[in-house]
Amino acid sequence: DIQMTQSPSSLSASVGDRVTITCRASQSISSHLNWYQQKPGKAPKFLIYAASSLQSGVPSRFSGSGSGTDFTLTISSLQPEDFATYYCQQSYDTPYTFGQGTKLEIK
Amino acid sequence: QITLKESGPTLVKPTQTLTLTCTFSGFSLTSSGVGVGWIRQPPGKALEWLALIYWDDDKRYSPSLRSRLTITKDTSKNQVVLTLTNMDPVDTATYYCAHRRVLTGTYFNWFDPWGQGTLVTVSS
Repeated sequence: DIQMTQSPSSLSASVGDRVTITCRASQSISSHLNWYQQKPGKAPKFLIYAASSLQSGVPSRFSGSGSGTDFTLTISSLQPEDFATYYCQQSYDTPYTFGQGTKLEIK
Repeated sequence: QITLKESGPTLVKPTQTLTLTCTFSGFSLTSSGVGVGWIRQPPGKALEWLALIYWDDDKRYSPSLRSRLTITKDTSKNQVVLTLTNMDPVDTATYYCAHRRVLTGTYFNWFDPWGQGTLVTVSS
């Protein structure tokens, strides 16, 4: 299995802050990296595919980058609705493993 | 509009077999590239990929659960069924099904949308 490691596991930030979440794969996955957002009690919501392509309807303050083994999700100016848990997922090879999640909390 | 909904028991006893049904609408599981996956999430923990079935009936499983999992589809009913044998309390989780979408002409794929999830508790 390809292991996905996210950092940090949790992050406190304020509205308006710029935040970056990192995801590292245990082997090269090219650009086969997805990002999801999950709020408490809700199903995950798809945000980004192919490491940097935004799903339609996702605000442009979200951006993704990276290739190979190292990837980042950046939120340029945090909004109140962005406080949630974020997961990366590799879609290079089955099992399509997820990272352990990064919980973004209000400071 | 694509929707998916999971159904099945909310409580199972240890050693029993769990059978979950994902009923979907808005797409056909006979269309090239399409798939339906199952993912679970223990309370307060991370997402765990379980299984995926493709339009052509190809099936993929989590290696760690491969011996206990079976995924099947019934295209006439727009349903995908997941069975997990020999349930244990560590299998307590919210189980999600999700639509697998692929970017045309590429291998880029992702889950969107997801069902609402169903919490399954394993306890005697």
